[in-house]
Amino acid sequence: DSGVTQTPKHLITATGQRVTLRCSPRSGDLSVYWYQQSLDQGLQFLIQYYNGEERAKGNILERFSAQQFPDLHSELNLSSLELGDSALYFCASSLRTSGGRETQYFGPGTRLLVL
Amino acid sequence: GDSVTQMEGPVTLSEEACLTINCTYTATGYPSLFWYVQYPGEGLQLLLKATKADDKGSNKGFEATYRKETTSFHLEKGSVQVSDSAVYFCALSEEYSTLTFGKGTMLLVSP
Repeated sequence: DSGVTQTPKHLITATGQRVTLRCSPRSGDLSVYWYQQSLDQGLQFLIQYYNGEERAKGNILERFSAQQFPDLHSELNLSSLELGDSALYFCASSLRTSGGRETQYFGPGTRLLVL
Repeated sequence: GDSVTQMEGPVTLSEEACLTINCTYTATGYPSLFWYVQYPGEGLQLLLKATKADDKGSNKGFEATYRKETTSFHLEKGSVQVSDSAVYFCALSEEYSTLTFGKGTMLLVSP
């Protein structure tokens, strides 16, 4: 158990809908990262927050947004969903953001299926 | 940009066989290197890491050495077990600790 929790575990929705994925980092970790894992694209970094502020952005679509709250939990919002958004979404956390040497601890993921 | 290339799987081995999964990287700076493992139906777990050249990461019988001259970080284990069956991801991290992953290599170990 990494100490990172994600809810829900599974999500089934329809095209055009909006969903929110939730992540609670390990106790004491200030950085939260979101990744998308799909069969065709592999594991891709989406976005990072550090202590409530956006720190780095990867291949995140404009239809997707995220935020980190004062209690350090994070939410990833996916809107106008398309079939191709079906994937496993992982959250990870680390203590700080120190230029590449930090270990990231991953949650169990949320499996999203868009029908 | 940064990239990680790892051998395609699946790699199929018998129990107690030797394992090598190749990983090479391209990076603009001086990255940290990681191996993560994903067991069926689970999230990613850090297996080992190395943060500078010639460092050897090791865990659970797995080893990998950071080779700057060949930009490689090959994963090795002397004797695999059925319980090692999983998908293995090589990754690197530069700025802000964001990870760039390889496509993953599935390992299947039979009794």
